[in-house]
Amino acid sequence: AQSVTQLGSHVSVSEGALVLLRCNYSSSVPPYLFWYVQYPNQGLQLLLKYTSAATLVKGINGFEAEFKKSETSFHLTKPSAHMSDAAEYFCAVSENTGFQKLVFGTGTRLLVSP
Amino acid sequence: SQTIHQWPATLVQPVGSPLSLECTVEGTSNPNLYWYRQAAGRGLQLLFYSVGIGQISSEVPQNLSASRPQDRQFILSSKKLLLSDSGFYLCAWTTLETQYFGPGTRLLVL
Repeated sequence: AQSVTQLGSHVSVSEGALVLLRCNYSSSVPPYLFWYVQYPNQGLQLLLKYTSAATLVKGINGFEAEFKKSETSFHLTKPSAHMSDAAEYFCAVSENTGFQKLVFGTGTRLLVSP
Repeated sequence: SQTIHQWPATLVQPVGSPLSLECTVEGTSNPNLYWYRQAAGRGLQLLFYSVGIGQISSEVPQNLSASRPQDRQFILSSKKLLLSDSGFYLCAWTTLETQYFGPGTRLLVL
């Protein structure tokens, strides 16, 4: 069975600082990996995805993530945080097969201070 | 382009009352559809998914049911709401390997 672990339910950074949100996964088959962002009272928006192509994936809003098979990780980074990045971030995994069923982590709330 | 709609956006219901939440998708045909629930401070829990009209798979035994009467319509229902049914309900659809989410319905059961 697949699973996702997001370390840290809350991460606080200062505006302009590096953002690092951690995600580790468990999967018995080659995974697809996703990061979603959720702003208050809104649905989830896809930030980026890994689907077995390039291991360094670039997404929207300056975010990127690197797939590291040896570490079973897919951490999300952004070089310089903006106030508008404050939101909840979810990592998700699905099997690299025909029908997609996502398994989500419990989320990390990013707080950005001026 | 594809669009996903959910309504209502917010709902306050008494315990024991019925529930009907609707999700519709535009701009695609024969999508896979999903219902998730997000409880306060927790991640997303997959409730139901559907690969076609009338085809519903349940992930978690609970007080809810789902139906898919039309290709692009997915309905979440309950005959009698419980306090524990409160949460944020999200509908999603799939294209290839990616799921796209609707705006959600916030349900408060009192």
